[in-house]
Amino acid sequence: SQKIEQNSEALNIQEGKTATLTCNYTNYSPAYLQWYRQDPGRGPVFLLLIRENEKEKRKERLKVTFDTTLKQSLFHITASQPADSATYLCALDPSYPYNQGGKLIFGQGTELSVKP
Amino acid sequence: EPEVTQTPSHQVTQMGQEVILRCVPISNHLYFYWYRQILGQKVEFLVSFYNNEISEKSEIFDDQFSVERPDGSNFTLKIRSTKLEDSAMYFCASTSPGRNTNEQYFGPGTRLTVT
Repeated sequence: SQKIEQNSEALNIQEGKTATLTCNYTNYSPAYLQWYRQDPGRGPVFLLLIRENEKEKRKERLKVTFDTTLKQSLFHITASQPADSATYLCALDPSYPYNQGGKLIFGQGTELSVKP
Repeated sequence: EPEVTQTPSHQVTQMGQEVILRCVPISNHLYFYWYRQILGQKVEFLVSFYNNEISEKSEIFDDQFSVERPDGSNFTLKIRSTKLEDSAMYFCASTSPGRNTNEQYFGPGTRLTVT
């Protein structure tokens, strides 16, 4: 069956450290994978997208890797701050070949807590 | 910066009643979506809408649900006869044409409580 899974346990780290979150998928061949941030009671906010032919993507303190052989994406936040505390969701478009405007399938999210 | 807006922020209704959730997508976007999130669970796709018709719908989106774009700005989700299990956050999203990436922009959500 098709699945997209993230670390189910909350991640607690100290301010200034690097947070690493994992997203694994099975039985999908996504053209790209996306990461979103969700704060309690709010809608997901788009952060980064990485395409299947890209190994790594960076944006400020964020870094995403994508390994289509392992069917895994890693999401890193360097020099983490308490304001980074939120739930982080990975998402993919299950259509292949790529279908513009297709739906997103989300993982269950990993809750990150950064302590001062 | 343009954003997706949703009204109301919270809707309480009795089982069996009809509700309409409203969304104003970003103005130059052409693809529109509804998702829902039951408390503590994943964000789930309900329906996508393009060129004034449904392009895809999930198993959740049964005959009790309908969507409409009544004018050039609003996008609505109607639930004809609400059930207790319809209680959830409902998110509207939109995306920009011409981008080969499908990053979606979500509204703040409507919390629907069915009693």
